[in-house]
Amino acid sequence: AQRVTQPEKLLSVFKGAPVELKCNYSYSGSPELFWYVQYSRQRLQLLLRHISRESIKGFTADLNKGETSFHLKKPFAQEEDSAMYYCALSDQTGANNLFFGTGTRLTVIP
Amino acid sequence: KAGVTQTPRYLIKTRGQQVTLSCSPISGHRSVSWYQQTPGQGLQFLFEYFSETQRNKGNFPGRFSGRQFSNSRSEMNVSTLELGDSALYLCASSLTWGAVYNEQFFGPGTRLTVL
Repeated sequence: AQRVTQPEKLLSVFKGAPVELKCNYSYSGSPELFWYVQYSRQRLQLLLRHISRESIKGFTADLNKGETSFHLKKPFAQEEDSAMYYCALSDQTGANNLFFGTGTRLTVIP
Repeated sequence: KAGVTQTPRYLIKTRGQQVTLSCSPISGHRSVSWYQQTPGQGLQFLFEYFSETQRNKGNFPGRFSGRQFSNSRSEMNVSTLELGDSALYLCASSLTWGAVYNEQFFGPGTRLTVL
């Protein structure tokens, strides 16, 4: 069965410091991984997805199949990065069902 | 383009009642997915509709059902409400189905409270 684990419920970093939000998954097949973000009083929105190999707002995420991880990283945190971050997995059945982690609340301290 | 809209935004019901929630996708989007969000279980997939057909279903009891209309609008229904059904219900739309290549756009959610 698919499972996504985000071990940190809360994470605080100072502005300008590097940030890493951890995500581990379990899935027997070849998953696709996503990061979603929810800023205060806004809707849940896609931040980035592994298949696009993109960097959004300075964030990157590398899929490590050996460690079954998809950690989200940014070298220099900004105050506007404060938000709730969710890691999600798609099992590539062709359906739109995403399996979400429980989320990490990131606070960037000025 | 207008975003995904959900109505009503808030609902209070009592145990045993039933409830219907509505979701209007972004214009041109044909896939609608529903998720339940609770503090204990987080975000869980309920079901997905595409072209008026349920394409996939999560691990929820049969009390949870849905449908999609020809204009892609979707409704979900919960019958015989239980206290544990209290949650934020999120709807997401995408152009077509298949999470890998189609970004899902989420609505603001409907907050259901069961007393």
